[in-house]
Amino acid sequence: NAGVTQTPKFQVLKTGQSMTLQCAQDMNHEYMSWYRQDPGMGLRLIHYSVGAGITDQGEVPNGYNVSRSTTEDFPLRLLSAAPSQTSVYFCASTQGAAYNSPLHFGNGTRLTVT
Amino acid sequence: DAKTTQPNSMESNEEEPVHLPCNHSTISGTDYIHWYRQLPSQGPEYVIHGLTSNVNNRMASLAIAEDRKSSTLILHRATLRDAAVYYCILHQLGGANAGGTSYGKLTFGQGTILTVHP
Repeated sequence: NAGVTQTPKFQVLKTGQSMTLQCAQDMNHEYMSWYRQDPGMGLRLIHYSVGAGITDQGEVPNGYNVSRSTTEDFPLRLLSAAPSQTSVYFCASTQGAAYNSPLHFGNGTRLTVT
Repeated sequence: DAKTTQPNSMESNEEEPVHLPCNHSTISGTDYIHWYRQLPSQGPEYVIHGLTSNVNNRMASLAIAEDRKSSTLILHRATLRDAAVYYCILHQLGGANAGGTSYGKLTFGQGTILTVHP
């Protein structure tokens, strides 16, 4: 079982470049979300989606865009990378409302912006 | 937002029980208590969750205080593979309603680094 798959595992960008972090899940989960993890900050929610075509902002959405055209995929786009976006990014999915359903996480994308 | 407080680190010996505490004195009546753990270079992994009653699963037990202001994750026999960062999280219903449902947001704090000695 693949679960939640994130690509790439590592990425180095220069300031101002754009890129898309990919996230795919094969569990037919409705809910998907993106977190970033920084030293001393825990995980913070960036954007989330409660189904195809529906997205909303989390705690730290600035500088990131998302879309959800299919149930399986939830890409995260950085339009103009900044050094402050250097972080480890995790995608997660869950079947039901997350307050009562376990989140399944991918293994992360480590992004460095120089 | 309700927050949790956990010790920064704890140590245990292999095959001994481990009790990981978590304080959440501002918890609301509808907050679920979740525990996740994160091994090095991996994403967080769900461990257990509960609302009011104690919970058991194959990985651990969750003991919730009667006033719900604290909880304890219990690993009955620690193994070296249990060495990880353990997060105690309150799941708050919230966020925009979309399509008739609402998405609860998980706020991860700093967690407890558990070291297991052979």
